[in-house]
Amino acid sequence: QKEVEQDPGPLSVPEGAIVSLNCTYSNSAFQYFMWYRQYSRKGPELLMYTYSSGNKEDGRFTAQVDKSSKYISLFIRDSQPSDSATYLCAMSAGGTSYGKLTFGQGTILTVHP
Amino acid sequence: EAGVTQFPSHSVIEKGQTVTLRCDPISGHDNLYWYRRVMGKEIKFLLHFVKESKQDESGMPNNRFLAERTGGTYSTLKVQPAELEDSGVYFCASSQDRLVHNEQFFGPGTRLTVL
Repeated sequence: QKEVEQDPGPLSVPEGAIVSLNCTYSNSAFQYFMWYRQYSRKGPELLMYTYSSGNKEDGRFTAQVDKSSKYISLFIRDSQPSDSATYLCAMSAGGTSYGKLTFGQGTILTVHP
Repeated sequence: EAGVTQFPSHSVIEKGQTVTLRCDPISGHDNLYWYRRVMGKEIKFLLHFVKESKQDESGMPNNRFLAERTGGTYSTLKVQPAELEDSGVYFCASSQDRLVHNEQFFGPGTRLTVL
């Protein structure tokens, strides 16, 4: 069983739609949760970062973490064609393994005009 | 400020050959990481350097892989001898002090194809 499960999609939505992406995980030691965005032929870039449970909002993006359910989400409001990319969730346990990120498989998102 | 750079961008080698990948982190970043993504799978952690020391090498698949970071600046990842299953995209990332939330900045990756 993978430590982090993420539906690879692909997901296709019209411009302006609300997009919901999510991941589930099995390792209860994870306490740092991240969403990365990756464009084709580029490296992942950090989009959102959350420590422990709760919500975090940044512009059109909202990240939610529910540690009791081992479930994290990313919401994109008013989606734009420029949001078309692969979205990766990532997690780490901190401590001596603070540098080790465990990734989901990534969800391919296409926002069409 | 330059980001993380990786060289080469693409490498095609035959099974049994040796390949060396290079990563130059963002200037001043003590932490350097290697990850790998094989086709159809998730990005997987290989190892983590703090300056020139290996902090965590729990993800290294076997002893055909050797990572070095002499002088605590750039890093190399050598695969010797390469096998077919080593094909994939190798990403390098770097970050500052762990006291700052651990934002890892990724390079564009090196696409390795083993024939």
